[in-house]
Amino acid sequence: DAGVTQSPTHLIKTRGQQVTLRCSPKSGHDTVSWYQQALGQGPQFIFQYYEEEERQRGNFPDRFSGHQFPNYSSELNVNALLLGDSALYLCASSLARSLANYGYTFGSGTRLTVV
Amino acid sequence: GENVEQHPSTLSVQEGDSAVIKCTYSDSASNYFPWYKQELGKGPQLIIDIRSNVGEKKDQRIAVTLNKTAKHFSLHITETQPEDSAVYFCAAIHSGGYQKVTFGTGTKLQVIP
Repeated sequence: DAGVTQSPTHLIKTRGQQVTLRCSPKSGHDTVSWYQQALGQGPQFIFQYYEEEERQRGNFPDRFSGHQFPNYSSELNVNALLLGDSALYLCASSLARSLANYGYTFGSGTRLTVV
Repeated sequence: GENVEQHPSTLSVQEGDSAVIKCTYSDSASNYFPWYKQELGKGPQLIIDIRSNVGEKKDQRIAVTLNKTAKHFSLHITETQPEDSAVYFCAAIHSGGYQKVTFGTGTKLQVIP
């Protein structure tokens, strides 16, 4: 049973560029959440997608946007990259109807470096 | 909103000793409490979880206890080994509605051989 898969694993971008990160949820999960984790910090919630819609959002600017596809996979897009966007980006998946029974599972993350 | 406090922020133990990490939460609607272990450069890995209708859960050397009245839960690791060294995060989740997840600030555990 595949867990949460994220791609790419590492990425280097230049300030001002745009980036797209991808996430495939764990089999059977339908909800995808994205987090940003700076070095030495805990994960910070960016947003959550369910039924192809963003249903809650953390304190992140509009430069951060996302999408969920019919197969539940998701993309995170960041425009006009800043040096401060350098972080580990984590995707977590869950099942909307029964999170407590089916868990909240993280992928290994994408390490984004903005230079 | 939910607030999760986690203590201590760093913990050093000798190999073979026990380690205890504590978390408190504020929202009584939270009903699912997972613990994650994160190694350097990797994503958090679920190591154990507990639901609000259970007071204690054990899995080999790891146990979690939950006190709903006091709104706190703890992670207990017995017979610690060097490979237990990592950052541990607790989380409180309200699994109904929008599944709001709030993480603790993390505990860096160092097991000294």
